[in-house]
Amino acid sequence: SQQGEEDPQALSIQEGENATMNCSYKTSINNLQWYRQNSGRGLVHLILIRSNEREKHSGRLRVTLDTSKKSSSLLITASRAADTASYFCATDADYGQNFVFGPGTRLSVLP
Amino acid sequence: DTGVSQNPRHKITKRGQNVTFRCDPISEHNRLYWYRQTLGQGPEFLTYFQNEAQLEKSRLLSDRFSAERPKGSFSTLEIQRTEQGDSAMYLCASATPRRGEDTQYFGPGTRLTVL
Repeated sequence: SQQGEEDPQALSIQEGENATMNCSYKTSINNLQWYRQNSGRGLVHLILIRSNEREKHSGRLRVTLDTSKKSSSLLITASRAADTASYFCATDADYGQNFVFGPGTRLSVLP
Repeated sequence: DTGVSQNPRHKITKRGQNVTFRCDPISEHNRLYWYRQTLGQGPEFLTYFQNEAQLEKSRLLSDRFSAERPKGSFSTLEIQRTEQGDSAMYLCASATPRRGEDTQYFGPGTRLTVL
């Protein structure tokens, strides 16, 4: 079974609005990563946050991590139509171990 | 383009046939992963190599599946006697040996359709 669970499953917003996606996981982690996947394509790495970090920024992306609640959130500010994609969180418990992905949040940004 | 390539990009086969996919990772990456992704779901781990050694296999990897990485560079994933339930996107990812740099870089995937 998948460890990560993204919420919501689908999100539709207008261009320029902010989009927030959440991820919950079950076991202790080494780090948590967010990936984006455009329809029918491979995954693109967005951002990595380690278990001892609480917040990280990269351009229009902001990720938070709450290890006490075993949850993370991804905020995309000033969204664009090109942000339309599925977003996945992935966790790994040990170095080199495989990632465990959630089912993803499908984001639609309407022009 | 992440630098990880997969071939073929699409494969259509009839049930019962064997298929083989290839993954070429980023050259200095010694870790290589295979995942399977079905429609509307996140990728599911299949197997992991460190150099040429296959260190971990998921229970999803039935006896009909085999993966190799003979020289620690490219890898192949073979599915024997394909079934309709094998239809999925097969993703390969690679990662650097440097500890602390845990990002996995994904290829574009091979989409398998079993008729």
